Amino acid sequence: DGGITQSPKYLFRKEGQNVTLSCEQNLNHDAMYWYRQDPGQGLRLIYYSQIVNDFQKGDIAEGYSVSREKKESFPLTVTSAQKNPTAFYLCASSGQGAPRTEAFFGQGTRLTVV
Amino acid sequence: AQSVTQLDSQVPVFEEAPVELRCNYSSSVSVYLFWYVQYPNQGLQLLLKYLSGSTLVKGINGFEAEFNKSQTSFHLRKPSVHISDTAEYFCAVSGGTSYDKVIFGPGTSLSVIP
Repeated sequence: DGGITQSPKYLFRKEGQNVTLSCEQNLNHDAMYWYRQDPGQGLRLIYYSQIVNDFQKGDIAEGYSVSREKKESFPLTVTSAQKNPTAFYLCASSGQGAPRTEAFFGQGTRLTVV
Repeated sequence: AQSVTQLDSQVPVFEEAPVELRCNYSSSVSVYLFWYVQYPNQGLQLLLKYLSGSTLVKGINGFEAEFNKSQTSFHLRKPSVHISDTAEYFCAVSGGTSYDKVIFGPGTSLSVIP
């Protein structure tokens, strides 16, 4: 079945450490996105990528980094510069065409800083 | 920039009663509109979408939404809710100044009371 796989589902990080969240899709979608979700704040866009080897900052990119070396993969690194990284992170993808007709989501990664 | 407003952060409703979740968007050009549902600790699932054509859109689980261009609204309705409809609901938009990404509203938490 086609879909988006995020791993791990739960992740714990010590303060000052970088951590990488995985996102893989087999939908053959060009565009991929990372959102952060905090209680009562909806989804905020961190980074997005339209094609391989290209990506753009979203609304809250500070303290995060991404890469897009393959069409199927869009990993997100939460760096030690991110002041408050504890949150639920969602990866999504969408097909060709603009405006985007739909975003498909993974099951999310819950990151907790301990 | 494109934005989405969901006027109610929380909506309690009795089982088998009707419900309307409100959504307004900001755009002077054509956009695509979406409603997503999120169950606890899961990703988002598409309920329905408006791309063009009939302004009344039917989705999964008995939900429907009506696109009103003059009022820039896309309210979600269900004539009779079930306990299983308890979830977070997000309105989203793509197009206009956000042609290459999907922008989400802050969400409405629907609680169905037995």
